[in-house]
Amino acid sequence: NAGVTQTPKFQVLKTGQSMTLQCAQDMNHNSMYWYRQDPGMGLRLIYYSASEGTTDKGEVPNGYNVSRLNKREFSLRLESAAPSQTSVYFCASSDSGTAGYTFGSGTRLTVV
Amino acid sequence: KNQVEQSPQSLIILEGKNCTLQCNYTVSPFSNLRWYKQDTGRGPVSLTIMTFSENTKSNGRYTATLDADTKQSSLHITASQLSDSASYICVVSARGGSYIPTFGRGTSLIVHP
Repeated sequence: NAGVTQTPKFQVLKTGQSMTLQCAQDMNHNSMYWYRQDPGMGLRLIYYSASEGTTDKGEVPNGYNVSRLNKREFSLRLESAAPSQTSVYFCASSDSGTAGYTFGSGTRLTVV
Repeated sequence: KNQVEQSPQSLIILEGKNCTLQCNYTVSPFSNLRWYKQDTGRGPVSLTIMTFSENTKSNGRYTATLDADTKQSSLHITASQLSDSASYICVVSARGGSYIPTFGRGTSLIVHP
């Protein structure tokens, strides 16, 4: 049982480049989330999808877009990467807002 | 505004010793509180969950307590092992349609041999 799978695990981008982080879950969860984690800041919510077909902004959405492709997949896109977006990105899923999260293993992104 | 504050920010202990991590929250109305363990380079993994009616929950050497009146929780680790070195994150969920729990910033625990 894979749980939450994120790709890629590592990525280096030049300022201004674009890329999409992929996330897929196989637990039939309704809700999916994208977080970024920076030293001393904890996990901060970028975007979330409470159910298939819906997406909403989180705490730090600027510079990002998301797509809930189907119930399994939730992608995060950086249209024009900036050094401030250097971070570790985690995708998570849950059955509901009060249920526990299952996290992916993260994508370490560096923007130079 | 819903907030979760954790203390200490970091902690160093010797292998075999016990330790207690603290979590204070202002999330309302309260639904549940979870403690997660995050190993370096990995995603967080749930350790315990407590609802309003529960005041203690154990998972092996990890024991979480909850005081809903004072809005405080603690995570006690007994007989620490090197593998306990990790970040421990307190997460509180509200009742009533909110899909977004509130995360603390975590306590970084280092266990030395």
